[in-house]
Amino acid sequence: QKEVEQDPGPLSVPEGAIVSLNCTYSNSAFQYFMWYRQYSRKGPELLMYTYSSGNKEDGRFTAQVDKSSKYISLFIRDSQPSDSATYLCAMTVGDSSYKLIFGSGTRLLVRP
Amino acid sequence: GAVVSQHPSWVICKSGTSVKIECRSLDFQATTMFWYRQFPKQSLMLMATSNEGSKATYEQGVEKDKFLINHASLTLSTLTVTSAHPEDSSFYICSAKGRGSYGYTFGSGTRLTVV
Repeated sequence: QKEVEQDPGPLSVPEGAIVSLNCTYSNSAFQYFMWYRQYSRKGPELLMYTYSSGNKEDGRFTAQVDKSSKYISLFIRDSQPSDSATYLCAMTVGDSSYKLIFGSGTRLLVRP
Repeated sequence: GAVVSQHPSWVICKSGTSVKIECRSLDFQATTMFWYRQFPKQSLMLMATSNEGSKATYEQGVEKDKFLINHASLTLSTLTVTSAHPEDSSFYICSAKGRGSYGYTFGSGTRLTVV
């Protein structure tokens, strides 16, 4: 079993839809959770960074962490074609230069 | 925000030669740098972790004599692929973590093609 599980997709939605991306994990020691967006042939770009359980909102993006269920989510409201990319969840046990454990990434396509 | 510059973005080399990839943190001091490899439509695979002034820690299965990592300063880390072969063709990405910073900042990646 992988430490972090993420549905690879692809996920295809119409423009304006609400997108829900999810990851589950098995290591209860994970404390810091991140979502990255990666366009083709580019490095990942940090979208959201959360610590422990709870919600965090930034513009059209909302990150949720449920540590009791070992489940994290990223919601994208009013999705745009420019949101089409691969979304990677990542997590680590500590904030002090611990290595990140990545999900496999979900490919998202937002249709105009 | 934190910026990591990675060069070159694309390189083609002949089999048997060596290639050096640079990763620089432009506006922060990178106490730790990570090097990843990514195959098409796959996630990032961590190759090694390096702390400034220390030897890199390699992940299981990664040949340290083939993938030489140097982190000589708080703003520069290099990955040298020695005696490259076609199977080393991949997308290599660096990531940097600064003291007190949130998240891990990634470079734009280097596409290596060995012919």
